[in-house]
Amino acid sequence: DTAVSQTPKYLVTQMGNDKSIKCEQNLGHDTMYWYKQDSKKFLKIMFSYNNKELIINETVPNRFSPKSPDKAHLNLHINSLELGDSAVYFCASSQRVGGGTDTQYFGPGTRLTVL
Amino acid sequence: AQSVTQLGSHVSVSEGALVLLRCNYSSSVPPYLFWYVQYPNQGLQLLLKYTTGATLVKGINGFEAEFKKSETSFHLTKPSAHMSDAAEYFCAVTVPSNAGGTSYGKLTFGQGTILTVHP
Repeated sequence: DTAVSQTPKYLVTQMGNDKSIKCEQNLGHDTMYWYKQDSKKFLKIMFSYNNKELIINETVPNRFSPKSPDKAHLNLHINSLELGDSAVYFCASSQRVGGGTDTQYFGPGTRLTVL
Repeated sequence: AQSVTQLGSHVSVSEGALVLLRCNYSSSVPPYLFWYVQYPNQGLQLLLKYTTGATLVKGINGFEAEFKKSETSFHLTKPSAHMSDAAEYFCAVTVPSNAGGTSYGKLTFGQGTILTVHP
């Protein structure tokens, strides 16, 4: 069983389009995250949700909107895609926020290419 | 705010040789430190973590790391490299929840070190 899954794995689209990436975890965790890994492999947090509540929002353009329908899902919707949005997006989850010690489990990533 | 610096974006070793990947951190409060590994086209997998207690931490696949507060370091080592260790390694830091602010739960990653293992 896949602990943290993301769909799609690859996403190629044109500038200006709107797209979504879905993430699901079956670990029973309370907290989920979105990270962006750029072309230089630099990994940076974008958002974190705890029990469907937004707790971390790292100065991300408002074209990016996370949505958590329940604590097992955290989707990322991106409006008006730009070339600079091309990256690998990773979803992760952990038992709870604020513990600090809790291991974050990562999904396989979604490679987004904007043409 | 926390930060992590990984010295050396590429490290190359021979199979059977010692692996040493360097990580230095900056934090205003005692940190929690992690090493993750990323194999090609895969997500990140936790190798090991330091929270409190023993400063020498053992992880999976024979890796270990030592937290040295005086040197603000958390270097990753493995006595004998295997071909299957070839991957990219990321050091990360966060702070305990009782540190307050908005940093807790947020992992700050280093730039990554690509490990190549030669036969």
